Amino acid sequence: DTEVTQTPKHLVMGMTNKKSLKCEQHMGHRAMYWYKQKAKKPPELMFVYSYEKLSINESVPSRFSPECPNSSLLNLHLHALQPEDSALYLCASSQDSRFGYEQYFGPGTRLTVT
Amino acid sequence: QKEVEQDPGPLSVPEGAIVSLNCTYSNSAFQYFMWYRQYSRKGPELLMYTYSSGNKEDGRFTAQVDKSSKYISLFIRDSQPSDSATYLCAMIGSSNTGKLIFGQGTTLQVKP
Repeated sequence: DTEVTQTPKHLVMGMTNKKSLKCEQHMGHRAMYWYKQKAKKPPELMFVYSYEKLSINESVPSRFSPECPNSSLLNLHLHALQPEDSALYLCASSQDSRFGYEQYFGPGTRLTVT
Repeated sequence: QKEVEQDPGPLSVPEGAIVSLNCTYSNSAFQYFMWYRQYSRKGPELLMYTYSSGNKEDGRFTAQVDKSSKYISLFIRDSQPSDSATYLCAMIGSSNTGKLIFGQGTTLQVKP
């Protein structure tokens, strides 16, 4: 099973709201990733967690706050977002970051900021 | 200049055609080469990955890597309307931090 699940599927939030995106995998993977994808563009890496520790932060604004509570779960906390943050947010996982060539993506959360 | 170049298309072919999708790259440190398929409003799906140069086949899909030319290809035989999607190439170096470098993606339409 190579399934990564993400909730919610869709999210609409105002610029003053606080919300969280959730990602879960049960493949025993120890690396998890957050990507942002705008329409007709490739995914852009935001964060990498390796063994529950943040290993890469691609200079993402602090209004995005990742959290990895355990090896199966990855959250992305959102606060004071801007309309330009509207995008598809993708979670992925791999066996560990050395196996980044075999990343499995979830279906994404489509976020709209109003 | 982008590290990975991929023609965005769109590419339109009739059903049953052989499709050739390509990427070029500039960073000789790339060692792993991946192809993802992404349907509209879905997450990318890993089709296959190749290490270094050579060919890899999986059913109707064949991936080729030519490191001397810094050129990779994905061939789809007997294309089907269900193959209509965006195809993303991605690459990663041997100092593997998990950071994929993606091409822009090529939109493919297979017409019945």
